[in-house]
Amino acid sequence: GQQLNQSPQSMFIQEGEDVSMNCTSSSIFNTWLWYKQDPGEGPVLLIALYKAGELTSNGRLTAQFGITRKDSFLNISASIPSDVGIYFCAGPLNHGGSQGNLIFGKGTKLSVKP
Amino acid sequence: GAVVSQHPSRVICKSGTSVKIECRSLDFQATTMFWYRQFPKQSLMLMATSNEGSKATYEQGVEKDKFLINHASLTLSTLTVTSAHPEDSSFYICSAKRADEQFFGPGTRLTVL
Repeated sequence: GQQLNQSPQSMFIQEGEDVSMNCTSSSIFNTWLWYKQDPGEGPVLLIALYKAGELTSNGRLTAQFGITRKDSFLNISASIPSDVGIYFCAGPLNHGGSQGNLIFGKGTKLSVKP
Repeated sequence: GAVVSQHPSRVICKSGTSVKIECRSLDFQATTMFWYRQFPKQSLMLMATSNEGSKATYEQGVEKDKFLINHASLTLSTLTVTSAHPEDSSFYICSAKRADEQFFGPGTRLTVL
């Protein structure tokens, strides 16, 4: 079945450093989504990518949709303490329908040291 | 806009009892809502798709008789965990679909003693 492999599992960085995480799949995705989840909360959408090769920014966040449509990366520049959380990549499950059911990666836990 | 709420935020119940969790889209109507389960330090796993006015669609391995879903209106879906057991303890998160985007609720922490 479809799977999203996310790496790294966790990162410990110093405030101000840049961060990069990625997501790969053995199958093609037509949409890549990046979410952030704070402890005890639901995920919040950061960036949505809809086209192979697309590079999209949201403030200090930048994400790219890989040309092969089997991978995506998320970069965070100049990290700050509030960037702490778990970052998930996600994409639509291939059910043949159009309901947009999502499959999530296992997440990258980011810790930022002030 | 696009706010989704869940109630309760956390619940503790005894083994064998049933628990109902509500998911509401506060400022938009959602024909489709989704229910996810997240175990500690794990990812979100889709349990079922809730369709207003019709039966829910369950993912493989999710017991429909144990996890009852009702989507009686365009702003409310409920998940009832029947005869709960300790292994059902988890973080349950709903989402509501508007256009092509899903908006997630804050989650409900269920602990079964």
